[in-house]
Amino acid sequence: QVQLQESGPGLVKPSGTLSLTCAVSGGSISSSNWWSWVRQPPGKGLEWIGEIYHSGSTNYNPSLKSRVTISVDKSKNQFSLKLSSVTAADTAVYYCARLTGTAPDYYYYYMDVWGKGTTVTVSS
Amino acid sequence: SYVLTQPPSVSVAPGKTARITCGGNNIGSKSVHWYQQKPGQAPVLVIYYDSDRPSGIPERFSGSNSGNTATLTISRVEAGDEADYYCQVWDSSSDQRVFGGGTKLTVL
Repeated sequence: QVQLQESGPGLVKPSGTLSLTCAVSGGSISSSNWWSWVRQPPGKGLEWIGEIYHSGSTNYNPSLKSRVTISVDKSKNQFSLKLSSVTAADTAVYYCARLTGTAPDYYYYYMDVWGKGTTVTVSS
Repeated sequence: SYVLTQPPSVSVAPGKTARITCGGNNIGSKSVHWYQQKPGQAPVLVIYYDSDRPSGIPERFSGSNSGNTATLTISRVEAGDEADYYCQVWDSSSDQRVFGGGTKLTVL
């Protein structure tokens, strides 16, 4: 079955750019699913960051939209997250997840497969 | 943007029924998904499209959604059900996926 694995630096300097990659195995990123990023600050709840379709179509959290870029690399079967101008408030566990569903509208899709998550700390 | 309100905590004795609510304006018109998250682990989908269960999730887990409240019901609660639970919807007014604040289920 499909598995997701996040990777990237665990420490990012303030004002820098956070870059993470999610490798998809056991399935194709070009399937009829969307691919999402979710984060969780220490001791807090889940926050949706954004998502991408293999065509390159994206949706972003309005509160992060000015700093976020999600891209897809079909040749490597992976998708990536870049978050610029980071501060300590961006310290979190970052998860990638697959969005799937049977509804005609992908807005109603749900996250059925998750990566294990990777911790990113913003500190000098 | 759309706000989903969950009680911070719910406590239940083993073998009893736990009900975790998720409040939102006319949430009954939306599709609600529920995720379970145990400490140090990634979230796991337990209910989708209000009341459907993924394969591998016990029948003890069920969901409903009407009016301004969606509810996750866990019957015959076990110690292993102790976790944080999050509801989630798509908010069409702001074009984003929204999570509730989460509910910590404690099994007494």
